[in-house]
Amino acid sequence: AQRVTQPEKLLSVFKGAPVELKCNYSYSGSPELFWYVQYSRQRLQLLLRHISRESIKGFTADLNKGETSFHLKKPFAQEEDSAMYYCALSGESNQFYFGTGTSLTVIP
Amino acid sequence: KAGVTQTPRYLIKTRGQQVTLSCSPISGHRSVSWYQQTPGQGLQFLFEYFSETQRNKGNFPGRFSGRQFSNSRSEMNVSTLELGDSALYLCASSSGQTQETQYFGPGTRLLVL
Repeated sequence: AQRVTQPEKLLSVFKGAPVELKCNYSYSGSPELFWYVQYSRQRLQLLLRHISRESIKGFTADLNKGETSFHLKKPFAQEEDSAMYYCALSGESNQFYFGTGTSLTVIP
Repeated sequence: KAGVTQTPRYLIKTRGQQVTLSCSPISGHRSVSWYQQTPGQGLQFLFEYFSETQRNKGNFPGRFSGRQFSNSRSEMNVSTLELGDSALYLCASSSGQTQETQYFGPGTRLLVL
């Protein structure tokens, strides 16, 4: 069955420290992986997706097909990174599957 | 381009009533997906409409239904409301091509009393 797992509900890091938000997935075909972010009082928005291989706001994510993971990383966390982060998978049917989200707090 | 819009933004209903939510996608987008967001469950997929046809469906009871019009605008209806239906309902639009990015609206917050 298709599934996206984000094992950490809450994550706190100090400003300037590295941050990694974990995402594991289960899908039998060829998925496309996404990270979405929801800042306080704002709508859910795309942060990055695997196929574009871009670094957005200093964040990167590498798809590891062997470990079926798509962890989100940033070398130096900033206070403005505090938000809710969702990992998502899109299958060939175009249906999206979202993880339950990780709430990141960057401590000044 | 204008973003995805949803109306109304807030709604209060009582158990047993029915409700209709509306979503206007980004111009040119032909796919609209609906999600229920709750603190404990995250985003739960309801259904996706593409070119006025339901293309994908999640695991929600038949009380949840939707439709899409020829201009790609979509409505979602929930009949016989239950307390557990209180949630933020999000819609997202995309071009409809396989695995394209979805763009989200601000949501409609529904409270069932």
